[in-house]
Amino acid sequence: AQKITQTQPGMFVQEKEAVTLDCTYDTSDPSYGLFWYKQPSSGEMIFLIYQGSYDQQNATEGRYSLNFQKARKSANLVISASQLGDSAMYFCAMREKNTGNQFYFGTGTSLTVIP
Amino acid sequence: DTAVSQTPKYLVTQMGNDKSIKCEQNLGHDTMYWYKQDSKKFLKIMFSYNNKELIINETVPNRFSPKSPDKAHLNLHINSLELGDSAVYFCASRPSWVDSADTQYFGPGTRLTVL
Repeated sequence: AQKITQTQPGMFVQEKEAVTLDCTYDTSDPSYGLFWYKQPSSGEMIFLIYQGSYDQQNATEGRYSLNFQKARKSANLVISASQLGDSAMYFCAMREKNTGNQFYFGTGTSLTVIP
Repeated sequence: DTAVSQTPKYLVTQMGNDKSIKCEQNLGHDTMYWYKQDSKKFLKIMFSYNNKELIINETVPNRFSPKSPDKAHLNLHINSLELGDSAVYFCASRPSWVDSADTQYFGPGTRLTVL
C-alpha cells in the first residue's frame, strides 16, 4: 500500500488566489511527521513545512499552512495569495518512527500559477 | 555557503561504464541519504547512513555502492551503468536519526544520463 498519496497530478491556480494541494497518508505508527517540499523547474528540493503527529495546531510558515486532519489521515498544503514563483512540483512526505525514521514521498503535484 | 553539495551536477556516460557521484554537507549533520528521482518525478530512497554507518539499504542493484568516508561525506559509486540508471540522484542530510522533527536538506541533484 502507498504510504503517501497525492491524487492531483496537476493543478492550476490564478495568481493571488489560494490553492490546496491534497495529501493522504497511511500509517499505524502513532509517532510520525509530515513534510511538504517544493521542487521548481530548476530541480532543487526545498523544504516548506512540517507537522508532527502530536502537534495540536496546524503548522504555518508564511503563506504556507498545513491542514492536518489526523482522523482522516490527511495533510493538505494550503498556499495563500499564490505567486508566479509558486509554479513547481510539490511533494508530500512522511517519516515514521517505527521504520527507523525513513522518509516516504508521494508522487507529487505540479502546480501552475496563471497570471 | 552551500549546505549540501553534489558533484558533478550533470553526468553523461556510456552504458557499461563505472561512475561516482560525490556528496558533502557542511551542516554538521549525522544522517545522510541518497535518493533516485525517475523521469516521472517519483522520489525513492536508496540508502541512508548515520554517523558513517549504513542504516537503510533499499532494494537497489548491488551495482550501486555507497561509501561514507566520514560523517560529512556520502558518495555513490555505480558500476556497469545501464540505461535504466538514467535519473536525477539527490543527496540529502538531516541533523540526527532520532529527532523526529528534523527535516532533510537536499543537495542540488545530479542528472545522470546513460547513453
